[in-house]
Formats: sequence, structure tokens, C-alpha cells
Amino acid sequence: AQSVTQLDSQVPVFEEAPVELRCNYSSSVSVYLFWYVQYPNQGLQLLLKYLSGSTLVKGINGFEAEFNKSQTSFHLRKPSVHISDTAEYFCAVSDSDYKLSFGAGTTVTVRA
Amino acid sequence: DAGVIQSPRHEVTEMGQEVTLRCKPISGHNSLFWYRQTMMRGLELLIYFNNNVPIDDSGMPEDRFSAKMPNASFSTLKIQPSEPRDSAVYFCASSFAGQETQYFGPGTRLLVL
Repeated sequence: AQSVTQLDSQVPVFEEAPVELRCNYSSSVSVYLFWYVQYPNQGLQLLLKYLSGSTLVKGINGFEAEFNKSQTSFHLRKPSVHISDTAEYFCAVSDSDYKLSFGAGTTVTVRA
Repeated sequence: DAGVIQSPRHEVTEMGQEVTLRCKPISGHNSLFWYRQTMMRGLELLIYFNNNVPIDDSGMPEDRFSAKMPNASFSTLKIQPSEPRDSAVYFCASSFAGQETQYFGPGTRLLVL
């Protein structure tokens, strides 16, 4: 069985500053890793995913994440945030072709 | 592509009433998922269908919950009778089986009074 820990529940950040959201996972087998974003009153939208290959993954809206197998981490980063990045971010892991396990989420609030 | 469609978007009902949530997956997708999101428990998988067949319903809370997928383009999640603790946002998601990316609908926000 796999599990996901998002280390920060709330991340306040100023506009144009960088942000990093931390995610650690535990699994006994190879995994697929995902970051989803949920804007207020909306569903989840895929930001990026790691399946195999390069450990640095680029996603939409300028986000990227790095898979670190030795540290079992998949941290999400953006070098310069906008007000519109205010949302909740979920890290998820899957070790099968369907079952996603989600972290508790990190709320990012971008201030001017 | 219209994406995953859910209805209603909001539902307010009284304890004891039957509630039916509806989902239309993305055309061509053959896997469908129902999730529940609450503050206390986060996002939980309730049930997974593949080719209209329920494969994993281990997340369904209890007998009051049931889900059907009569065809490839429609699924329902029913709660009968509803209870206040069922208040949550219910998401439907779909994907191609064997592909890892799930696409989520906008959710149904359910409030049981």
C-alpha cells in the first residue's frame, strides 16, 4: 500500500516570489506520481505527472517537480507565482493502473 | 471536449431523503471513478468501474451508498437514506484504462440537513 504526506498544509507567498510544495510518499513498489490543482469551487486539474524517465518533470502554468527516489519525494516548484496560482494543491501516488492515493493538500495563498 | 460532466453541482436535502448524483465521463474513456472529499478525510476513492463493471468498491462507506454504470456514458451514485455525515463534495473522474491520468469533473457539493 502507498501513502502520501504533504508536509505543509498552508503556504502563504508573495506575488512573483518562488514557491515549493513538499511531498513525500511511501510505497513498496515502483510508483507513478502526480500533482493536481484545485481552484476554489472547481474539480481537480492535472498539473504534471511522473511515470518514468527524466526525474525533472515540467507541467502547465510554469510548474515543475523533481522525482527523488532515494528521498521518496516529489516536490513541486514554481519560480514566480501569480495571484491566479492561489489554490489547493494535491500530491498523489499510484502503484497500479487506477488507484490514486492523495495527500491532504496544501493551500497556497498568493498575496500582492 | 466537454470534459467530465456532473450534475447537480449543488444539492441540499434533508436527512432521510434519497440523493442521486450523476456523471457523464469523457467520451471514449472506459474507466470511471467516484471520489468523496471532506475536510476530515480528504479525497477518498469510493468506487472504480472499468468497461461499466464495478472493479473496486472497497471505499463505499456502507449499504446506504450504491453506484451504477448502465452504459459507457453515464453513471450514478445514490445515497439512500442520506445522513448529515454524508455532506461532502463528490467528484467523478474518468480515464482510459491502463493510462494513469484521471480527469475530474467539477464535483457535486452535497449538504444533508
